[in-house]
Amino acid sequence: AQSVTQLDSQVPVFEEAPVELRCNYSSSVSVYLFWYVQYPNQGLQLLLKYLSGSTLVKGINGFEAEFNKSQTSFHLRKPSVHISDTAEYFCAVITNAGKSTFGDGTTLTVKP
Amino acid sequence: GAVVSQHPSRVICKSGTSVKIECRSLDFQATTMFWYRQFPKKSLMLMATSNEGSKATYEQGVEKDKFLINHASLTLSTLTVTSAHPEDSSFYICSASPTRTGRLGGYTFGSGTRLTVV
Repeated sequence: AQSVTQLDSQVPVFEEAPVELRCNYSSSVSVYLFWYVQYPNQGLQLLLKYLSGSTLVKGINGFEAEFNKSQTSFHLRKPSVHISDTAEYFCAVITNAGKSTFGDGTTLTVKP
Repeated sequence: GAVVSQHPSRVICKSGTSVKIECRSLDFQATTMFWYRQFPKKSLMLMATSNEGSKATYEQGVEKDKFLINHASLTLSTLTVTSAHPEDSSFYICSASPTRTGRLGGYTFGSGTRLTVV
């Protein structure tokens, strides 16, 4: 079985400040890791993914994430946020068999 | 890039009626499509996985007869909520993958359908 824990349900931050959204996971099998963003009343958009290789993954909109196998974490970071980054962010793991598990989401609010 | 279109974006229906939601992959063939339900301030709950040409695989606790899924072509999957009740009101989202697992590219999500049953 897999589980995903997003450690912060809400993260308020000022514009141009750095941000980190934390994600820990557990799984008895190998998984692939994803971060998605959801704007109000919209579907999810893929930000970045880790399949293999370099543990530092760069995604769209200036986001990046680092896979840490020993700590089973996949934290999302951005060095300088914009108002437009305000959204819900979901961490997800997917097994080889295609079974997906999502975290409960982190609401990022960027204030001017 | 891969685009998934979901229709309608919003629907209001009377209790006891059925509602059909469509999910189309516009520029790729989706061998696998997934249907999720999202409650307010909650994560996505996978309802079922459908592979083109075969029966959908439902997650535990999801009523097969209530949530009918059809994946008759490589570009279209439909979710029909039968005999809808107010407790079925939710945000339904589909996603699609050109591979059977989605791991290579990650899923592409539709824009979601807000269902309100009155």
